Amino acid sequence: QQQVKQSPQSLIVQKGGISIINCAYENTAFDYFPWYQQFPGKGPALLIAIRPDVSEKKEGRFTISFNKSAKQFSLHIMDSQPGDSATYFCAASDRDDKIIFGKGTRLHILP
Amino acid sequence: DADVTQTPRNRITKTGKRIMLECSQTKGHDRMYWYRQDPGLGLRLIYYSFDVKDINKGEISDGYSVSRQAQAKFSLSLESAIPNQTALYFCATSDRRSYNEQFFGPGTRLTVL
Repeated sequence: QQQVKQSPQSLIVQKGGISIINCAYENTAFDYFPWYQQFPGKGPALLIAIRPDVSEKKEGRFTISFNKSAKQFSLHIMDSQPGDSATYFCAASDRDDKIIFGKGTRLHILP
Repeated sequence: DADVTQTPRNRITKTGKRIMLECSQTKGHDRMYWYRQDPGLGLRLIYYSFDVKDINKGEISDGYSVSRQAQAKFSLSLESAIPNQTALYFCATSDRRSYNEQFFGPGTRLTVL
């Protein structure tokens, strides 16, 4: 079964610190790796995504690091802010068009 | 996202009742999805549809059925609700030209007593 394994399940970070969430996958056919952000009472929304032909993608304070040989990717949130407190889902998809989501990480940034 | 709407937003029902959750979108997307979210289990795909005549089972389709009434409408039915179907349900859409990005509705919180 296709799986995306995400860790940690929950994370507490001080304001200004770096938040790091890790994911691993098994299916080498995956060719798109998005991260979704979900605030309480809202649906998930695309935050940032990467394709396996690059090792890193940065958008503002958010960076995806991708290690194709290890089949791992991670989200780094620099200078974490209380407004970043949310649930984050990593995901992966292939040409079959379905997205497989990780189980999510609840991030809390202490003020 | 106001472009994807779900009704109702909250529903409490009893075991054995038939329930329909509705999803409408104004994004003009051809692809629609139903997910279920449970604490610690993430988002699991129930059914998906790539166009009006296309319906596909997802990871956890047992106990659910769907209907794609039009390109903009995709409904999820629980024929005989049971307590372990208590969850948060999300509808999502995507465009075949950029299929990877999915746009989610605000969710329906369903409680089965």
